[in-house]
Amino acid sequence: KNEVEQSPQNLTAQEGEFITINCSYSVGISALHWLQQHPGGGIVSLFMLSSGKKKHGRLIATINIQEKHSSLHITASHPRDSAVYICAARSSPNDMRFGAGTRLTVKP
Amino acid sequence: NAGVTQTPKFQVLKTGQSMTLQCAQDMNHEYMSWYRQDPGMGLRLIHYSVGAGITDQGEVPNGYNVSRSTTEDFPLRLLSAAPSQTSVYFCASSTTLNTEAFFGQGTRLTVV
Repeated sequence: KNEVEQSPQNLTAQEGEFITINCSYSVGISALHWLQQHPGGGIVSLFMLSSGKKKHGRLIATINIQEKHSSLHITASHPRDSAVYICAARSSPNDMRFGAGTRLTVKP
Repeated sequence: NAGVTQTPKFQVLKTGQSMTLQCAQDMNHEYMSWYRQDPGMGLRLIHYSVGAGITDQGEVPNGYNVSRSTTEDFPLRLLSAAPSQTSVYFCASSTTLNTEAFFGQGTRLTVV
């Protein structure tokens, strides 16, 4: 059974700060997703990783398969980055487990 | 390009009533899935489909049925609603199992 843990649960930052959100999972996976849930409730996929590192604008996601760990980094954070960030790990077609989410607040 | 469309956005049901949550995508995605999101529980996979005519259960399938008669549509049926099914439901689709997922806007369901 795959368990997914995120840290921290809540994070408050000042605009411009570098943000790191961590995700650990317990079993071998085929893919790890990072999602962003807006205050209005909509969910957007940020990254899908199976190895290495991906970058999109100010967002960077990394995964270490051996350590069963992934990180999401936000450089030069902005108030519009305020959202809940969720990681999800798939270990089989019928087993997609989600972390509880990290609530990020970026203050101007 | 509409992406993933879920209807309705809000619904209130009485215990024992049945209803269907609709999900449609226009991206020709093979993989579609339904999730529920509850406070303190996060998102959980209900059912998924890897293509037309193929469906399977996820982590919390009890009380829900699905079918996939076309590539575009993946409805979720509540056969006899219970208060424990009060939740926010999300439909998602992706090209294959392990590619970027696109989510619908969600359906907030309350069962009284």
